[in-house]
Amino acid sequence: SQKIEQNSEALNIQEGKTATLTCNYTNYSPAYLQWYRQDPGRGPVFLLLIRENEKEKRKERLKVTFDTTLKQSLFHITASQPADSATYLCALGHGTASKLTFGTGTRLQVTL
Amino acid sequence: KAGVTQTPRYLIKTRGQQVTLSCSPISGHRSVSWYQQTPGQGLQFLFEYFSETQRNKGNFPGRFSGRQFSNSRSEMNVSTLELGDSALYLCASSSLTGTQETQYFGPGTRLLVL
Repeated sequence: SQKIEQNSEALNIQEGKTATLTCNYTNYSPAYLQWYRQDPGRGPVFLLLIRENEKEKRKERLKVTFDTTLKQSLFHITASQPADSATYLCALGHGTASKLTFGTGTRLQVTL
Repeated sequence: KAGVTQTPRYLIKTRGQQVTLSCSPISGHRSVSWYQQTPGQGLQFLFEYFSETQRNKGNFPGRFSGRQFSNSRSEMNVSTLELGDSALYLCASSSLTGTQETQYFGPGTRLLVL
């Protein structure tokens, strides 16, 4: 069955450092992968989308890589700030359907 | 543009009852998806509606149902509630951009079943 794994434990990082979150998947060939941010008590917010034929995507302090051979995506936040503290979810999709398969998320805590 | 809205935001029900949750998508969005989020299982896809038709369905029992109206507003219904149905129910709307889609989530309805 399809399985998506993200860092199960919370990730604690010091302000100014680069946070790297991992998303690994098995038994799946996604056409694209998305990253979302979720704050407590709120719905996820879309951050970035990367397609299967793209290796890397950047948006301001965010960078995502997608390695379909390793079946892995890495999500980087450079110069992290306390306001970046949240849970980050990766989601895999295929085709035009809105059905996304989400990972369980990684909680990031950025401290001063 | 106004975001996705969901009502009610919080709900307490007892086992055996039924519940209806409502979602209004972003104006112009025709696709509405529903997800259940629990601490143990994470976000799980329930179903998706597009132009009043169910286009995709997740692996949930028939007690979970939904519908979409001509104005794209959607409702989901859970009958014969069980304790395990306690969760955050999220609605997401999307607008096709090429062949991929971005989901815009609402704030969710937190359902507690006692």
